[in-house]
Amino acid sequence: QKEVEQDPGPLSVPEGAIVSLNCTYSNSAFQYFMWYRQYSRKGPELLMYTYSSGNKEDGRFTAQVDKSSKYISLFIRDSQPSDSATYLCAFLKAAGNKLTFGGGTRVLVKP
Amino acid sequence: GAVVSQHPSRVICKSGTSVKIECRSLDFQATTMFWYRQFPKQSLMLMATSNEGSKATYEQGVEKDKFLINHASLTLSTLTVTSAHPEDSSFYICSAARTGARQGSPLHFGNGTRLTVT
Repeated sequence: QKEVEQDPGPLSVPEGAIVSLNCTYSNSAFQYFMWYRQYSRKGPELLMYTYSSGNKEDGRFTAQVDKSSKYISLFIRDSQPSDSATYLCAFLKAAGNKLTFGGGTRVLVKP
Repeated sequence: GAVVSQHPSRVICKSGTSVKIECRSLDFQATTMFWYRQFPKQSLMLMATSNEGSKATYEQGVEKDKFLINHASLTLSTLTVTSAHPEDSSFYICSAARTGARQGSPLHFGNGTRLTVT
């Protein structure tokens, strides 16, 4: 079993729709949870970061973590064509700073 | 803050030559930097962890003599791809961990270097 599972997509939505992304993980040692956005031929850009179960909101982005189910989600409200990118979930353990990435989900927001 | 600069953004070299890629933390000190490789439509694969003033730690399957890493200062790490071959063509990305940051602090990434070996 992979440590992290993430649907590769592509996920195509019309402009203005809610984008819903998720990752499941199997390693209980993961304590910190991140979402990165990566545009084509660019480095990943940190979007959301959290370390506890529950919701965290930042503008149009909401990150959810359910540690009991080992499931994290990212929601993008009022999606824009500029949100078209690959979204990567990433995890950190309690010790060390090596990130474990999901495979990424490609998102297309159509005008 | 937390800006990581990577240079060059794109490089084309001939087979058999060496290429150096630089990763700089612009507004913070980074004791530890990471080098990743990314193939098209795939996720990032950690190649090595670079520690200032000591030898890098390589992931399983990564040839340390081929991918030379030097982390000579708290703001600069370099990756040299030696005797490059076409199969080394890829997107190389670095990230940096701020010195003294609390455990679990998120990492920030450079914009990557696209290497094409002809």
